[in-house]
Amino acid sequence: GENVEQHPSTLSVQEGDSAVIKCTYSDSASNYFPWYKQELGKGPQLIIDIRSNVGEKKDQRIAVTLNKTAKHFSLHITETQPEDSAVYFCAASKGYSSASKIIFGSGTRLSIRP
Amino acid sequence: GAVVSQHPSWVICKSGTSVKIECRSLDFQATTMFWYRQFPKQSLMLMATSNEGSKATYEQGVEKDKFLINHASLTLSTLTVTSAHPEDSSFYICSARSRALNTGELFFGEGSRLTVL
Repeated sequence: GENVEQHPSTLSVQEGDSAVIKCTYSDSASNYFPWYKQELGKGPQLIIDIRSNVGEKKDQRIAVTLNKTAKHFSLHITETQPEDSAVYFCAASKGYSSASKIIFGSGTRLSIRP
Repeated sequence: GAVVSQHPSWVICKSGTSVKIECRSLDFQATTMFWYRQFPKQSLMLMATSNEGSKATYEQGVEKDKFLINHASLTLSTLTVTSAHPEDSSFYICSARSRALNTGELFFGEGSRLTVL
């Protein structure tokens, strides 16, 4: 089955700097890659996603890149702010129908230093 | 956006008792819902896929008789932890996709924290 690896497990950056989180996946059939943000005691929330027919996607301060050949994808957060502090999970899925399973990476705890 | 609601948000029970957690899609229909388990500072581990009107599909290593899943309607799935033990204490999260939206986005509930004494 699919295996998603995520690095680093913890990341501390100065407010205003950029943060990068990297993930790799094992199943070349995976074609949907969402990123979730989870705050303490809450369920994850989608922040951005990318499909395999696209190499890069950007939404304001957040961008995601995908390299299908190498089977890795990355999350980039620019101009970080204190409210960006949270745990971030990458994930991979084969398809995006209602029945497609999503497998999560191990998570990255991002801390923004004031 | 689509909303998924879980209840209860937290529950404490005695060892040996059973606990039921409900997951509802409030403004969309979900033929499939997913149940995840999360230990402190760890990732979300998929436990099972809940299918409306049929049996759930469990991931390898998850005990079917321990974690009973029922998906009786297009908006409700339940997870029952039977004969709970302290090692079952965890954060249980359900999720679903909206068939109508067809965006691939998985909407999560707020989670249910189970503590077994």
